[in-house]
Amino acid sequence: NAGVTQTPKFQVLKTGQSMTLQCAQDMNHNSMYWYRQDPGMGLRLIYYSASEGTTDKGEVPNGYNVSRLNKREFSLRLESAAPSQTSVYFCASTREINEQFFGPGTRLTVL
Amino acid sequence: GDSVTQMEGPVTLSEEAFLTINCTYTATGYPSLFWYVQYPGEGLQLLLKATKADDKGSNKGFEATYRKETTSFHLEKGSVQVSDSAVYFCALSDRAGGGNKLTFGTGTQLKVEL
Repeated sequence: NAGVTQTPKFQVLKTGQSMTLQCAQDMNHNSMYWYRQDPGMGLRLIYYSASEGTTDKGEVPNGYNVSRLNKREFSLRLESAAPSQTSVYFCASTREINEQFFGPGTRLTVL
Repeated sequence: GDSVTQMEGPVTLSEEAFLTINCTYTATGYPSLFWYVQYPGEGLQLLLKATKADDKGSNKGFEATYRKETTSFHLEKGSVQVSDSAVYFCALSDRAGGGNKLTFGTGTQLKVEL
């Protein structure tokens, strides 16, 4: 039981490049989330998926897109990366209402 | 909208000292309250939770009581260890808002020294 896994762990991009962050969970959870963590800002919700086939915007969705590929997988795409998107990205999932399980994070730097 | 305010860090303590990290919240409904812990280089882990007023959450020697009258959920531990060094996040989930979304505080870094 791996819990929530994320790939890659680290990534460096140039401004304007695109990339997809992958997330998968093996806990049969319905809901999945993408957050970004910045110093002094806590965690901010980018997008979430309450169930397979649905996605909704969170607090800071601009510049991102998501895909809920199936119940296990929820990917986050940056179409044209900007330095302001330098951050640590966390994926999370939940079955029970409210309690979320987090992945180890992806550290992204945009030059 | 919902918000969580927690004390700024870093908090530096000697081993076996008493810990308090303050957390207050604003919510429109009846939130559940959480403390998450993040160890260096890792994701967040749930430390404890409380789902209604006057509930006390506890785990690993940490505890926090849901105080509706003061809209607070302060984290305490009687005797900290070096291994408790981490960043602690207070969070809430407001059922009235719908979905399973969490609102986080900015985090408080705890450093415990020998």
